[in-house]
Amino acid sequence: SQKIEQNSEALNIQEGKTATLTCNYTNYSPAYLQWYRQDPGRGPVFLLLIRENEKEKRKERLKVTFDTTLKQSLFHITASQPADSATYLCALDEGDSNYQLIWGAGTKLIIKP
Amino acid sequence: EAGVAQSPRYKIIEKRQSVAFWCNPISGHATLYWYQQILGQGPKLLIQFQNNGVVDDSQLPKDRFSAERLKGVDSTLKIQPAKLEDSAVYLCASSLGSGGSYEQYFGPGTRLTVT
Repeated sequence: SQKIEQNSEALNIQEGKTATLTCNYTNYSPAYLQWYRQDPGRGPVFLLLIRENEKEKRKERLKVTFDTTLKQSLFHITASQPADSATYLCALDEGDSNYQLIWGAGTKLIIKP
Repeated sequence: EAGVAQSPRYKIIEKRQSVAFWCNPISGHATLYWYQQILGQGPKLLIQFQNNGVVDDSQLPKDRFSAERLKGVDSTLKIQPAKLEDSAVYLCASSLGSGGSYEQYFGPGTRLTVT
């Protein structure tokens, strides 16, 4: 069956360190993969989009990688800060004519001072 | 630029009652989405509009849920009658177009509690 897996347990990281979150998928061949941030009581906020032919994408302290062979995306936050604490969601398209995004359940990231 | 607006922010109803949610997307965004998000899960697409036409409503429980997007702008989502399992956050999002190459902009959501 098709599914997206993100770390279900919260990830605790010391301030200043690099946080790495994982998004694994099976039985999809996405053309695009997106990462969003969601704070409690708010809607998700778009962070980065990466295409299947891109290995890596960066934006300030954020970096996303996309390995279509491993069927995995990694999301990195360097020099992490307590304000980075949130739930991070990955979403991908199904790689066909279906226009919807399929969403992971998210990983809760806690940055400790 | 104004974001996606939703109302109400919170709603508590009894089972078998009806409820309606309203969404105003970002101006110029052709695509509008309604998602259901249960605590601890990712958003689940209920319906996707392109302008005022439905692109995908395959996961919309059509026996109780309905949605419309009049004039390709605002949208309403209705539940009638509500069940206990409908308790969730209902998120509205919009984007310039449909597909994985477009980022989605979300409203704050409506938290529905069915008792």
